Parts: sequence; C-alpha cells; structure tokens
Amino acid sequence: DAGITQSPRHKVTETGTPVTLRCHQTENHRYMYWYRQDPGHGLRLIHYSYGVKDTDKGEVSDGYSVSRSKTEDFLLTLESATSSQTSVYFCAAGPDSNQPQHFGDGTRLSIL
Amino acid sequence: QQQVKQSPQSLIVQKGGIPIINCAYENTAFDYFPWYQQFPGKGPALLIAIRPDVSEKKEGRFTISFNKSAKQFSLHIMDSQPGDSATYFCAAWSLAGANNLFFGTGTRLTVIP
Repeated sequence: DAGITQSPRHKVTETGTPVTLRCHQTENHRYMYWYRQDPGHGLRLIHYSYGVKDTDKGEVSDGYSVSRSKTEDFLLTLESATSSQTSVYFCAAGPDSNQPQHFGDGTRLSIL
Repeated sequence: QQQVKQSPQSLIVQKGGIPIINCAYENTAFDYFPWYQQFPGKGPALLIAIRPDVSEKKEGRFTISFNKSAKQFSLHIMDSQPGDSATYFCAAWSLAGANNLFFGTGTRLTVIP
C-alpha cells in the first residue's frame, strides 16, 4: 500500500453537511490523487496534487475541493454533501507523473 | 464517455483455467497500460503494466497481450487459483499528457476450486 492511510474508513452523514476525508502517506511521494469508485464506472479521478499547495482538477471535480499543506497529507472536502457523492473514495500516491500510483484502502462514504 | 472499455463484467472459471479479460481504447496518446487487482475492502494494487512498444509481457502467471494497431490489450491468468478471485481493472495513461489514469469498469473474477 506504499504507506498510504485513509481516514475515516467509513462515514455516514446527511445531505448538506460538510465532509473532509484525509489521506496520509509516508513515502514522501510528490504526486497524490483522489478517486471515486462507483459500480459501472471503475475509478474516476477527482483532483490531484503535484506538490505542496499545487493541485489540479480531474475528470469529476465538481462539488469537491482539495488541499495539500504538507507533502504527506492530501485532504478532500465535500463542502455540501449530496446523495450523488455516496461512493468509495480512494487516495493514491506516486513519486513522479510517469510512475505507477499506489492506492490506499479507501473510505466508504454514505450520504443520506 | 468511457475512455477505456473493459469486458466481460464478470467471469467464472474452474481452478486451472485461463481467464481472459479484454480492454480497448481510442486515444492514441495513451502510452502506459497497467492492470490493477482489487480484493474486497482493499484498494487496487498494481499487478502488471505494459508500454505499447512490446506486444506481450509476462510476470509469473499473469500475461498482458497488446495489439497496438487494434488499440486493444488483454490480461491472461495462467493456471488460475481460487486466491486469484478478485476484481481486475485495466487502465490507460498518457505519460506526457494530462495527469489522469483512465480506468475500465472492472471484471469480477471468480475461480471455483
């Protein structure tokens, strides 16, 4: 798992509440990513980071924001959660943009 | 739209059989094609990867076949074991382009003892 820890592992919350998911890595990788996994869609990139305070949007970024204040931590925030954001969220990290990404074990988020 | 199309959705084989999972893509800028294996409750783990300058790559019982002209690639699992039961994802990436790994929709493999 390349030293990637996601927290929490499970969360249930209500529509309209803010939610923050945390990803912590111990490998000092420059690149970090947030994906969501949904049946019939595989994994889709939400946002990624290529360094401290450097982030960019992925394929499905609407409704999500990210922050990276330290190399080891990458936060994903749902400002006002909606039921369509119920999903399993995976964090990944990699040393370079042309090296394979390694994934954490995911956060299962349910929004009621 | 799905950048990488994967089939079948599910596959059941007997122990010792050779399951084959197929993927196809359209974007000729893709130049790195990894396969990931995922067990329930776990994140995807990189299994094997290929670049388009080779037509085949083997690592243990896992083989990727790559057909650049057809823009297709497939995963073969030789002598499959019950422990291979998992969901498999193909993916495609442009190493020089936007930093986005595009995944197929996954194949749930069950190997019956």
